Amino acid sequence: DGGITQSPKYLFRKEGQNVTLSCEQNLNHDAMYWYRQDPGQGLRLIYYSQIVNDFQKGDIAEGYSVSREKKESFPLTVTSAQKNPTAFYLCASSTSLTGSNQPQHFGDGTRLSIL
Amino acid sequence: AQTVTQSQPEMSVQEAETVTLSCTYDTSESDYYLFWYKQPPSRQMILVIRQEAYKQQNATENRFSVNFQKAAKSFSLKISDSQLGDAAMYFCAYRSARNTDKLIFGTGTRLQVFP
Repeated sequence: DGGITQSPKYLFRKEGQNVTLSCEQNLNHDAMYWYRQDPGQGLRLIYYSQIVNDFQKGDIAEGYSVSREKKESFPLTVTSAQKNPTAFYLCASSTSLTGSNQPQHFGDGTRLSIL
Repeated sequence: AQTVTQSQPEMSVQEAETVTLSCTYDTSESDYYLFWYKQPPSRQMILVIRQEAYKQQNATENRFSVNFQKAAKSFSLKISDSQLGDAAMYFCAYRSARNTDKLIFGTGTRLQVFP
């Protein structure tokens, strides 16, 4: 079945450590997104990518980095510069960015906690 | 900047009854898309229904329908014949047709369904 796979489901980070969250999609979607979800808040956009080897900052990009070397993959690295990384992270994809009413499809998420 | 407001942090409904979840948004644009997403305890985001701003007819999907009032910038979700499986967080989201790089989410409404 086509879909978005996020791994791991749970992740723990030590102080000063970088961690990478995986997101893979087999929907042949061009656009991919990373969101952060905190309790009592909606989703906030971290980074997004329209095409391979190109990505843009979202509203809360500080302390995060991404890469888009393959169409199917959009990993998110939470760096040590992100001082409050504990949150639920959701990856999404969609067919295109411009002029489309196509919805974003979401993965099952990764919960990141600080040790 | 666009904003989305969900003023009901929690709602409850009896099984088989009808419930309406509120959503208002602020934008200066005339062309955009609106979405309702459901997030069950599994945390996956599932599209419930979508509405194009240029369409006057309210969208419906089986037991789910919207009341789209463009002038009032209101986009409420009506769930008819509520089922236990409808219990979840519901998020309203806005997407510009011109600058479609991100979804802007409300803070969500937690819906409880009682037997």
